[in-house]
Amino acid sequence: AQSVTQLDSHVSVSEGTPVLLRCNYSSSYSPSLFWYVQHPNKGLQLLLKYTSAATLVKGINGFEAEFKKSETSFHLTKPSAHMSDAAEYFCVVSDGGGSYIPTFGRGTSLIVHP
Amino acid sequence: DAGVIQSPRHEVTEMGQEVTLRCKPISGHNSLFWYRQTMMRGLELLIYFNNNVPIDDSGMPEDRFSAKMPNASFSTLKIQPSEPRDSAVYFCASSFVRSSGNTIYFGEGSWLTVV
Repeated sequence: AQSVTQLDSHVSVSEGTPVLLRCNYSSSYSPSLFWYVQHPNKGLQLLLKYTSAATLVKGINGFEAEFKKSETSFHLTKPSAHMSDAAEYFCVVSDGGGSYIPTFGRGTSLIVHP
Repeated sequence: DAGVIQSPRHEVTEMGQEVTLRCKPISGHNSLFWYRQTMMRGLELLIYFNNNVPIDDSGMPEDRFSAKMPNASFSTLKIQPSEPRDSAVYFCASSFVRSSGNTIYFGEGSWLTVV
């Protein structure tokens, strides 16, 4: 069984300050983990993915995430927020345990203030 | 790569009418997903196909909803008859499933309004 919990429904930051979006997962297998971003009135775009290679994963637009097995976490970070980062972010787990149906978190809305 | 292509992008229809949403997955992908997104319920998986066969349709709301995948390059989601509560964004997504995990790629969505 797999599950994912995004710990914050909303995160508010000022432009130029760091971003931290938190995600914890549960998996019976070696999971693949993903972050997707959805801008208003758009589809979901892949930001980055972890598939058992390097634990620190770099994605697009300066985002990165670190896989921590001991903490079952996959938090998304960015050193400096930009106004264009304002969007909904989804953490996703897929453990390949026969189902191959990814499980999505409820999403975190990132608000960026000027 | 063309990505996942959905049509129509926007549809406004009257209650009781039939609605057909279409999806062309990425070439070479063997899995296809239909999702529905609303403010109230978030992102919901409706149905999952693997190699054109429906594997999990437990998310399909009721008999008014049906989905088909006649071949590897085309799928439809049909609502008949439509109701105002079906108003939502419907996303199609595809992936190539393998044991090491599968990255799914989303289309831009079909915005459905039932009045």
